[in-house]
Amino acid sequence: QSVLTQPPSVSGAPGQRVTISCTGSSSNIGAGYDVHWYQQLPGTAPKLLIYGNNNRPSGVPDRFSGSKSGTSASLAITGLQAEDEADYYCQSCDNSLSGSRVFGGGTKLTVL
Amino acid sequence: EVQLVESGGGLVKPGGSLRLSCAASGFTFSSYSMNWVRQAPGKGLEWVSSISTSSSYTYYADSVKGRLTISRDNAKSSLSLQMNSLRAEDTAVYYCARVDYDILTGPSSVWGKGTTVTVSS
Repeated sequence: QSVLTQPPSVSGAPGQRVTISCTGSSSNIGAGYDVHWYQQLPGTAPKLLIYGNNNRPSGVPDRFSGSKSGTSASLAITGLQAEDEADYYCQSCDNSLSGSRVFGGGTKLTVL
Repeated sequence: EVQLVESGGGLVKPGGSLRLSCAASGFTFSSYSMNWVRQAPGKGLEWVSSISTSSSYTYYADSVKGRLTISRDNAKSSLSLQMNSLRAEDTAVYYCARVDYDILTGPSSVWGKGTTVTVSS
């Protein structure tokens, strides 16, 4: 079991909006640590999608956005496209584990 | 071009050892903390270990503590992971990734393509 909890899968039709949740606790997200999101296309390395809760690296479309509240964070994808089909991971830090960077279990996004 | 290239993966027997390497280019390696992240077949990402810019600080996941050792050579822009007492559950693709701004809380904006480690008799 991952320290950060994500739904195993979400789906949506092209053009729709989907959200992926990342639920933590008072020792990680709730402690104020930043949440980052990664996209992993099949057979490739992860790619940074959102950093510092709600910031997009250069080149990431503004269809992707992040938010954080309390002990949870969310990734929203609007105007869903076929190429968005991938695995998505949240990541943060946990102060109950020495020097630990933690990932969510990952969410598989299927574009119907 | 900013790039990380891992090498050293392969097939090893349980209890054996392996040394992974990661060659960095296109950025000032000595200015960034680095980490290793692994992904077992069909599973999610798992943070393995991090090292600070001058090697003063190293951190390990509980699952690898005492068996894996992270190190770096800033003169050669190289990161390493010495893996001892390997177990079947260490089987995974191992990614080298750059850590931005803070070793514990920063994102990883640069990733290598990964190297595969298989532990099997």
